[in-house]
Amino acid sequence: AQSVTQLDSHVSVSEGTPVLLRCNYSSSYSPSLFWYVQHPNKGLQLLLKYTSAATLVKGINGFEAEFKKSETSFHLTKPSAHMSDAAEYFCVVSDTNAGKSTFGDGTTLTVKP
Amino acid sequence: DVKVTQSSRYLVKRTGEKVFLECVQDMDHENMFWYRQDLGHGLRLIHYSYGVQDTNKGEVSDGYSVSRSNTEDLPLTLESAASSQTSVYFCATLRRGHNYGYTFGSGTRLTVV
Repeated sequence: AQSVTQLDSHVSVSEGTPVLLRCNYSSSYSPSLFWYVQHPNKGLQLLLKYTSAATLVKGINGFEAEFKKSETSFHLTKPSAHMSDAAEYFCVVSDTNAGKSTFGDGTTLTVKP
Repeated sequence: DVKVTQSSRYLVKRTGEKVFLECVQDMDHENMFWYRQDLGHGLRLIHYSYGVQDTNKGEVSDGYSVSRSNTEDLPLTLESAASSQTSVYFCATLRRGHNYGYTFGSGTRLTVV
């Protein structure tokens, strides 16, 4: 069984300040972990993925995430928020090969000017 | 790049109608998935397929069915549409054994009236 918890349903930051979106997971095996972004009325786009290689993963648009097995966490960070980062973000845990995935409930990121 | 096509962006159907949602992909990915997205629930898995003639129920499969007669498409059927099935539906694909993240379609917003 697998599950994922996004600890914040809404996060608001000012433009130029750091972003932290928190995600904890549970899995009975060695999982793959992902972050997806969804802009309003759009589909989902892959931001980054962890698949048992380096624990610090870099993604698109300056985002990165660190896999911490001891804390069962996979938090998403960005040093400096941009207005275009405002979107819904989903943390996802997946069985490694078959791809059956469980999504978190999402975190809405608001970026204030 | 893999392209996943959901031909209908918006659909309005009446309660009790039989509804078909299309999903076609062009890269022979073995694994295909249907999710629904509802506010506050993230994405929930409806059905999935790991290949031709292989289909499996997800966590919210009641009232839905799929069939996989070829690699390219996985149509989702709502046997008798209900207002509770008003949602945004996403199709996703994945190459077997390579969980590098889903490729999503653009989604279908279904309203059942």
